[in-house]
Amino acid sequence: EAQVTQNPRYLITVTGKKLTVTCSQNMNHEYMSWYRQDPGLGLRQIYYSMNVEVTDKGDVPEGYKVSRKEKRNFPLILESPSPNQTSLYFCASSLGGSRPLHFGNGTRLTVT
Amino acid sequence: GEDVEQSLFLSVREGDSSVINCTYTDSSSTYLYWYKQEPGAGLQLLTYIFSNMDMKQDQRLTVLLNKKDKHLSLRIADTQTGDSAIYFCAESRGYNNNDMRFGAGTRLTVKP
Repeated sequence: EAQVTQNPRYLITVTGKKLTVTCSQNMNHEYMSWYRQDPGLGLRQIYYSMNVEVTDKGDVPEGYKVSRKEKRNFPLILESPSPNQTSLYFCASSLGGSRPLHFGNGTRLTVT
Repeated sequence: GEDVEQSLFLSVREGDSSVINCTYTDSSSTYLYWYKQEPGAGLQLLTYIFSNMDMKQDQRLTVLLNKKDKHLSLRIADTQTGDSAIYFCAESRGYNNNDMRFGAGTRLTVKP
């Protein structure tokens, strides 16, 4: 089944403790992206990747890192999480261009 | 404010038609999308329309695009309780997924 898989689904952590949210897609998509969803704000793009080893900042990159060492994986790294990073995070992928995005089921992160 | 604007809530009775409206700001948008988000899940592509089209129909869904007013609407005919979800409007401003902008989402509640 074609899908985007994020792990974990839920995560509660404390300020400053490094964490990684994994994202994997099995559709051979070139484009991958991370979004955060906050009430009343819709989805805001954090980072995106057009292909392996090619990443760039989205609208809200501060406090986040990403890597794209393989085509299928695009982990999101929070080196020192803070409470304002409490949010619902989505990974998405596509074939590129303006083709529709395929989303994972989300990771709900709480930073205390 | 939001580049893509939607009303936050809509409530209808089962069997009625639902109309969800969206306004966007970039006249050079190439594609406009409607995504559906059910509780605990990621965004699922419902339908999309290319900017040179005025209307697209797909079973119970009708998308209308008014480029002059930069207005997009999604009509759901014979709305069912299973249609209760958050609906996101999104515009693609170029030919890359990283140029995509999302609205804040409209929560549709269908009452029996």
